[in-house]
Amino acid sequence: EAQLVESGGGLVQPGGSLRLSCVASGFTFDDYAMFWVRQSPGKGLEWVSGISWNSGSVGSADSVKGRFTISRDNAKNTLFLQMKSLRPEDTALYYCAKRNSGSYGFDVWGQGTMVSVSS
Amino acid sequence: QSALTQPRSVSGSPGQSVTISCTGTGSNVGVYNHVSWYQHHSGKAPKLIIYDDTKRPSGVPDRFSGSKSGNTASLTISGLQAEDETDYYCCSYAGSYSWVFGGGTTVTVL
Repeated sequence: EAQLVESGGGLVQPGGSLRLSCVASGFTFDDYAMFWVRQSPGKGLEWVSGISWNSGSVGSADSVKGRFTISRDNAKNTLFLQMKSLRPEDTALYYCAKRNSGSYGFDVWGQGTMVSVSS
Repeated sequence: QSALTQPRSVSGSPGQSVTISCTGTGSNVGVYNHVSWYQHHSGKAPKLIIYDDTKRPSGVPDRFSGSKSGNTASLTISGLQAEDETDYYCCSYAGSYSWVFGGGTTVTVL
């Protein structure tokens, strides 16, 4: 069974940095594009960033561009999100998600890791 | 990268049908056949229920169906059940390796 487990969340001060990780199991990690999606308290889902299977294609939402960097280590079946210059509005539950084979949807999701940005 | 527009809430009685709209632009919904829909119970991981506008993953009941016309995609839930009461989100590919979600719709079963 495909599974994604996020970690690395926590409380950080505005302007600080954090690195999230997502470990994949139950599928061939390096066959699939991977993504980060977040949900701020009381708000909807927001696409954050995506990376192709070989890291050749990368994209990020305007709200995080220049501050967040997505990367992956296929040898370790792990997806990362390096976050810097964090703002209170980045406070959210961050989900890792796998792209559905042959389509543009996200078919496997983790349970999320919470990031809180506050002084 | 403006969010796709969804109604904040829709409701229906058990057994009825409800339809959730998802309006985008000619830069996302209207130009790509890549709208997906997610069911999201609070505290749980979102679940893919429709992808590529109209396709249903295995295991998703055929009560859930997707359609699209121009810049607006729609999710219809037929034969509404109590367990369908939760939040639903649309999402579209928007080009240049970017995606955009809708604001979400809460379905209430009366």
